[in-house]
Amino acid sequence: GQQVMQIPQYQHVQEGEDFTTYCNSSTTLSNIQWYKQRPGGHPVFLIQLVKSGEVKKQKRLTFQFGEAKKNSSLHITATQTTDVGTYFCAGDAGNNRKLIWGLGTSLAVNP
Amino acid sequence: DSGVTQTPKHLITATGQRVTLRCSPRSGDLSVYWYQQSLDQGLQFLIQYYNGEERAKGNILERFSAQQFPDLHSELNLSSLELGDSALYFCASSPTGLSTDTQYFGPGTRLTVL
Repeated sequence: GQQVMQIPQYQHVQEGEDFTTYCNSSTTLSNIQWYKQRPGGHPVFLIQLVKSGEVKKQKRLTFQFGEAKKNSSLHITATQTTDVGTYFCAGDAGNNRKLIWGLGTSLAVNP
Repeated sequence: DSGVTQTPKHLITATGQRVTLRCSPRSGDLSVYWYQQSLDQGLQFLIQYYNGEERAKGNILERFSAQQFPDLHSELNLSSLELGDSALYFCASSPTGLSTDTQYFGPGTRLTVL
C-alpha cells in the first residue's frame, strides 16, 4: 500500500545546530503537508507544498518538495528550544481525498 | 485555539467497556477526521466524514465506529475496550475534506483502559 516514511525517527541537537527531517513516499504525491506537534499538544499545520521542486521558507524553516514529488524535507537553521516537538509530513498519493501520514520525527534541543 | 473542541479531555475505563468520544468541528468546516496516537507512536488515521457521510477509512478496528451528525459534530464509539486501546484520540476538521485542506486539530481525548 501507499506509504510515507520519515527519517530520522528521533534527533537530538544542541541549540544553534541545524536540523533536517526527510519524508519519502513510495508513490508520487500530488501535495504534501507538514505539521508540528509540541509535547503535550496537538498537531498544528505548518505548510503545504504542491509544485515539483517547490521551496518555501518560514523564518528559520525551509521546506522542499522533490522534483519527482516523491520526497520532501524540512530544514531548521540554528535550532532553538522552541523548535522542540514532533514534525509530521502527510501526503496525498493522488486521489485528492486521503492524506497518508508519516510517523514523525521527534526533535529534542539541548540548551 | 484551533476552534475544534473535544470532550471529554480524559477518560479512564476498564477493559470490555464502551466509550464515546465527542468532537465539534470549527465553524464552517464540513469534514471531520479521527486519529489515534499511542505512546511514542505517530498519528494513525482512523476515519473521515464529510457532511454526514463517510469519506475515507483508515486503520479503524471493527470494534470502533463513528458518525457525523446533521449539526456536523462527530462521535467516535469504542467498544469491547482492550488495554492496547489506551491512547490519545484526536479529532480534526477541515472545510471541504479534500487532501489540500489544512486540518485543524482539537486538543484530544486521552483514553486510559485499565
